[in-house]
Amino acid sequence: EAGVAQSPRYKIIEKRQSVAFWCNPISGHATLYWYQQILGQGPKLLIQFQNNGVVDDSQLPKDRFSAERLKGVDSTLKIQPAKLEDSAVYLCASSLLNTGELFFGEGSRLTVL
Amino acid sequence: GIQVEQSPPDLILQEGANSTLRCNFSDSVNNLQWFHQNPWGQLINLFYIPSGTKQNGRLSATTVATERYSLLYISSSQTTDSGVYFCAVKNAGNMLTFGGGTRLMVKP
Repeated sequence: EAGVAQSPRYKIIEKRQSVAFWCNPISGHATLYWYQQILGQGPKLLIQFQNNGVVDDSQLPKDRFSAERLKGVDSTLKIQPAKLEDSAVYLCASSLLNTGELFFGEGSRLTVL
Repeated sequence: GIQVEQSPPDLILQEGANSTLRCNFSDSVNNLQWFHQNPWGQLINLFYIPSGTKQNGRLSATTVATERYSLLYISSSQTTDSGVYFCAVKNAGNMLTFGGGTRLMVKP
């Protein structure tokens, strides 16, 4: 069974530029999550989708971050404009059920210069 | 929201030693997972254990939900066990919240 796929693995941009990350969850998983992990810290939830609806986006900085999951399968996380403090690893995860076990992708490492 | 505290924050072991990592949480949970984050940043699932005891090779975990803690045991540690171990919990609010992690270094 294929795991959670993410791309790109690495991205370097200058501040005020935009960037987009893509995630394809495990087949059949209805719930998809985006986490931000800053160096030395635990991952922090940005947004949770159940199919194509948003369950929780309370910690998403909506002035610069956006995410969508239009067809209830893959998802895109966008940052525009990027700030230096957005440098982090962006992790996508999926689970079969809302309360079920989460499986993570390899992450997308963003460096903002 | 729910608070998750892990201890110790850092741990250095000699290869072959045993260790116990602890995770305390502030509210009742319906999901608890242990992860190992390897040096490349990948989060590897170790256990899905909202309650009870599970074992997988040299690793085992116990969650006592009524007392709001979980323990991860590593026996006969190997250098490949090095990395960061995270505990993460979910409660009725459905947000998986991570602890700060335990950074483990196993020396040969």
